[in-house]
Amino acid sequence: EAAVTQSPRNKVAVTGGKVTLSCNQTNNHNNMYWYRQDTGHGLRLIHYSYGAGSTEKGDIPDGYKASRPSQENFSLILELATPSQTSVYFCASGDADINTEVFFGKGTRLTVV
Amino acid sequence: QQKVQQSPESLIVPEGGMASLNCTSSDRNVDYFWWYRQHSGKSPKMLMSIFSNGEKEEGRFTVHLNKASLHTSLHIRDSQPSDSALYLCAARRNSGTYQRFGTGTKLQVVP
Repeated sequence: EAAVTQSPRNKVAVTGGKVTLSCNQTNNHNNMYWYRQDTGHGLRLIHYSYGAGSTEKGDIPDGYKASRPSQENFSLILELATPSQTSVYFCASGDADINTEVFFGKGTRLTVV
Repeated sequence: QQKVQQSPESLIVPEGGMASLNCTSSDRNVDYFWWYRQHSGKSPKMLMSIFSNGEKEEGRFTVHLNKASLHTSLHIRDSQPSDSALYLCAARRNSGTYQRFGTGTKLQVVP
């Protein structure tokens, strides 16, 4: 099964601080995604990438940046963390083929105080 | 913004009963649907996919798709306590790169 590894698994950050969430996949998938999950909102797409060097805005990109330095790694960056960014963040990867499933990491629980 | 809407928000069914979950896309360009299951504290995992009109069955799980109405449904027969989870519907455009998810249906199967 596809392996997607997120780090850290839990993070407490201070308001105004910088936070970097990391994601690594070992399945040579072209596409990678960052979602956040909040009660009542389901999974919402923040940023995604088609491959190394590319990043695209998803549905809720404000306050977030992304970086895809290689096929395997995709980071989500919060330059100035705010309490409203407290959430569970999931990284996912998938093939470029239109009809393939997406594989999720175990998630990062971020609390901004 | 185009949405994926799921109903009901929550559902309680007795063990051995039938659970029926619904999902509709407001995006007319959607062509592909998935159902994911997420147990509490875990990550979502794909349960079933459906891309053509009609029905698809895998064990106790059946999905239906009506492309004209952009509606899909998931039916779980002989529900078990282990089926208790959040069920997420996802949709993707033929020309799209990512899956857009609904808010989910929380299913609880009680003994």
